Amino acid sequence: NAGVMQNPRHLVRRRGQEARLRCSPMKGHSHVYWYRQLPEEGLKFMVYLQKENIIDESGMPKERFSAEFPKEGPSILRIQQVVRGDSAAYFCASSSGANTEAFFGQGTRLTVV
Amino acid sequence: AQKITQTQPGMFVQEKEAVTLDCTYDTSDPSYGLFWYKQPSSGEMIFLIYQGSYDQQNATEGRYSLNFQKARKSANLVISASQLGDSAMYFCAMRGTNAGGTSYGKLTFGQGTILTVHP
Repeated sequence: NAGVMQNPRHLVRRRGQEARLRCSPMKGHSHVYWYRQLPEEGLKFMVYLQKENIIDESGMPKERFSAEFPKEGPSILRIQQVVRGDSAAYFCASSSGANTEAFFGQGTRLTVV
Repeated sequence: AQKITQTQPGMFVQEKEAVTLDCTYDTSDPSYGLFWYKQPSSGEMIFLIYQGSYDQQNATEGRYSLNFQKARKSANLVISASQLGDSAMYFCAMRGTNAGGTSYGKLTFGQGTILTVHP
């Protein structure tokens, strides 16, 4: 039973480009969470999705960031027109329910140059 | 709103000794869960231990135990018999519920404590 799979592990983008981060949850998990970790800081919640629905996006920046979790396929975190301040580790976690243990992927390290 | 505070930026411990990592929290949620995660230098987040706010006993998982003091709003992690492989960043996190008892799902993390185990 594969764990939460994130790809790519490392992503380099130039300022102004788009970044697409993918997360395949564990088998049987329909709840997905995205977190951002800036250097030397803890993880900050961004968005919580359940299949085809955004449950809580209170941590998402108002502009340039979007997330989806389609009926088929992985969850995608999309950052348009990236800036240097977007450089961070982005973690995805999945769970079978809102009140059950969440398992984390290995993260995607985004570097904006 | 929820808040997690980890006041120890760094901790040092001798191999085979026990160490306590501090975590205090603040919430008005009727029930909540407290988690500890380990993040080694490779970067992944590894779940260690969970404590529910209504659990009667302190959680234990192998060498990890959670010293839960609800009145003090603290949930300290105790690692017994430290090993060199325990050197990592450790995060305390919380997940709350609304008044209807529905979990918010999301976790609120503290700033973390870097643990270094000396041989």
